[in-house]
Amino acid sequence: QSALTQPASVSGSPGQSITISCTGTSSDVGGYNYVSWYQQYPGKAPKLMIYEVSNRPSGVSNRFSGSKSGNTASLTISGLQAEDEGDYYCSSNRRPGTPWVFGGGTKLTVL
Amino acid sequence: DVQLVESGGGLVQPGGSLRLSCVASGFAFSNYWMNWVRQAPGKGLEWVANINQDESERYYVDSVRGRFTVSRDNTKNSLYLQLNSLRADDTAVYYCARSSDWSFDNWGQGTLVTVSS
Repeated sequence: QSALTQPASVSGSPGQSITISCTGTSSDVGGYNYVSWYQQYPGKAPKLMIYEVSNRPSGVSNRFSGSKSGNTASLTISGLQAEDEGDYYCSSNRRPGTPWVFGGGTKLTVL
Repeated sequence: DVQLVESGGGLVQPGGSLRLSCVASGFAFSNYWMNWVRQAPGKGLEWVANINQDESERYYVDSVRGRFTVSRDNTKNSLYLQLNSLRADDTAVYYCARSSDWSFDNWGQGTLVTVSS
């Protein structure tokens, strides 16, 4: 049950776009469209931002988008805002009954 | 609104036991898979266990299998996690999370479990 690989940190200035990558294998990220992304502020519970690779839940800003190529999924945040600063985690599942895996998390700093 | 409220955390000695609870409201609890996800202090998220709607399927991360047991009571809209043989590396905030569309779409606020002598 290996964790997915994310960069430890990314940063950007207000108004810019950033992308966070999430690399797995053909057995998880690459093999299924079950990638999701979560935003977490310090001391708070995670919040779902993207599900099934590229779908946004109701209420999530359209500045957040997701994609996938091969074994790597990506979260892109456009028009960066100060409120986007926090930790971001990807997650993937293979099929019903298999363990979920998370990425190690990426700390986003808005400069 | 969907609400998940965990309780039962606390300080326990190594080798001890705890039972965590999660009470759900605002949705048809019996229709959903439910999960426990934990986060050690200063660390990332780790999925711990999940259970299907009628308790016929339960899955665990390798590190807790045989020590933790997930269960639910649909009549009480409640999810449980029995933690036995606790170790220092089980210290974490434990979140209850609902599964939907291959994601964790709602989370509780978490309950802190500290394993220390």
